[in-house]
Amino acid sequence: KAGVTQTPRYLIKTRGQQVTLSCSPISGHRSVSWYQQTPGQGLQFLFEYFSETQRNKGNFPGRFSGRQFSNSRSEMNVSTLELGDSALYLCASSLTGGYEKLFFGSGTQLSVL
Amino acid sequence: DQQVKQNSPSLSVQEGRISILNCDYTNSMFDYFLWYKKYPAEGPTFLISISSIKDKNEDGRFTVFLNKSAKHLSLHIVPSQPGDSAVYFCAARSSGAGNMLTFGGGTRLMVKP
Repeated sequence: KAGVTQTPRYLIKTRGQQVTLSCSPISGHRSVSWYQQTPGQGLQFLFEYFSETQRNKGNFPGRFSGRQFSNSRSEMNVSTLELGDSALYLCASSLTGGYEKLFFGSGTQLSVL
Repeated sequence: DQQVKQNSPSLSVQEGRISILNCDYTNSMFDYFLWYKKYPAEGPTFLISISSIKDKNEDGRFTVFLNKSAKHLSLHIVPSQPGDSAVYFCAARSSGAGNMLTFGGGTRLMVKP
């Protein structure tokens, strides 16, 4: 069974631009969540989607948004990029988002110049 | 306010010996805990988890202990192997919070041959 797939693997953008990251969960998994990892703040929860609905949201500004499609694939969008948005963005999936393992993708490394 | 803390940023252990990684939490609503291993620029890999109704869970060389009264958990790796060298994160989840995990800051484990 294929794991969580994130594209692109690396991305370089400039301040003010917007970016869209993509995540394909493990087949059959309906919960997709996104995390940001930075050296200063560690791993922080962005949001979770389940059956195309946002179920939980972390403490991030509205520039960060996401969506989930009917096939459970998910995208996250960051608008008006800032230097501080440079980070490793990780997508994770699980069957339902209950008491179960959460599987992570390899991430998208975003650099904002 | 850090709800999950890993107070040791690094740990060095000799191959074959026991590695003990510690994690403290403050939120009494947390009822499910997970340990992940992570290499740079990769996604975290799930190791082991424990529900708050248990105080111990074992999987091969990995054992997690939970002390609810002290709000403390630990991961024991026996015997430690050089391939275990990585950053280890503990994470916690509240009941009903789906896949909104709160991560500790991580502990870098170095296993010396």
